[in-house]
Amino acid sequence: GAGVSQSPSNKVTEKGKDVELRCDPISGHTALYWYRQSLGQGLEFLIYFQGNSAPDKSGLPSDRFSAERTGGSVSTLTIQRTQQEDSAVYLCASRSNRTSGDTQYFGPGTRLTVL
Amino acid sequence: AQSVSQHNHHVILSEAASLELGCNYSYGGTVNLFWYVQYPGQHLQLLLKYFSGDPLVKGIKGFEAEFIKSKFSFNLRKPSVQWSDTAEYFCAVNARNTGKLIFGQGTTLQVKP
Repeated sequence: GAGVSQSPSNKVTEKGKDVELRCDPISGHTALYWYRQSLGQGLEFLIYFQGNSAPDKSGLPSDRFSAERTGGSVSTLTIQRTQQEDSAVYLCASRSNRTSGDTQYFGPGTRLTVL
Repeated sequence: AQSVSQHNHHVILSEAASLELGCNYSYGGTVNLFWYVQYPGQHLQLLLKYFSGDPLVKGIKGFEAEFIKSKFSFNLRKPSVQWSDTAEYFCAVNARNTGKLIFGQGTTLQVKP
């Protein structure tokens, strides 16, 4: 079946602009995660959605970052007033709702470059 | 706070050599442990995971890992590496209530043919 998809695959933007990154999880997966992979920081958790519960935003690095998940499926990560340090690969992952330890399936990522 | 430490940042081996990548974690509660692999140009994918039971876990492509609770370790091993094992390897621990993964810094493995 289809895996996790993300768009765009690459995004180049100018400092100060807003960007939106999209994630389509595996159908039926109720849990969705965003992570960031950067040279200096490795792989970092950003935000977690589980069904209709309030998201866990504890990993968001600043209030310029926000995310939403509409209809329990597609998620959008928005970065406002982008800065050069936001340059990274943004990864989305989804898992089923059976247990929290179930495998997370990762998408290909969106490579964000802020000039 | 949870943390994961991978001891080797860059490992270079010849084909058929044995591999062991170290991973230690810091977490006060019950954990699930994972090794993920990222082949060049590909997605992160699960190599193996430990939940409970037998501390020796076998994964895909001949990899295995051993959970040693007393040492807070989850080292990855493979008896004989192949050139196709060239990749970046990430150890991770998750919080059982949310499942969010805390990753180590990653180890780049380069296998020379």
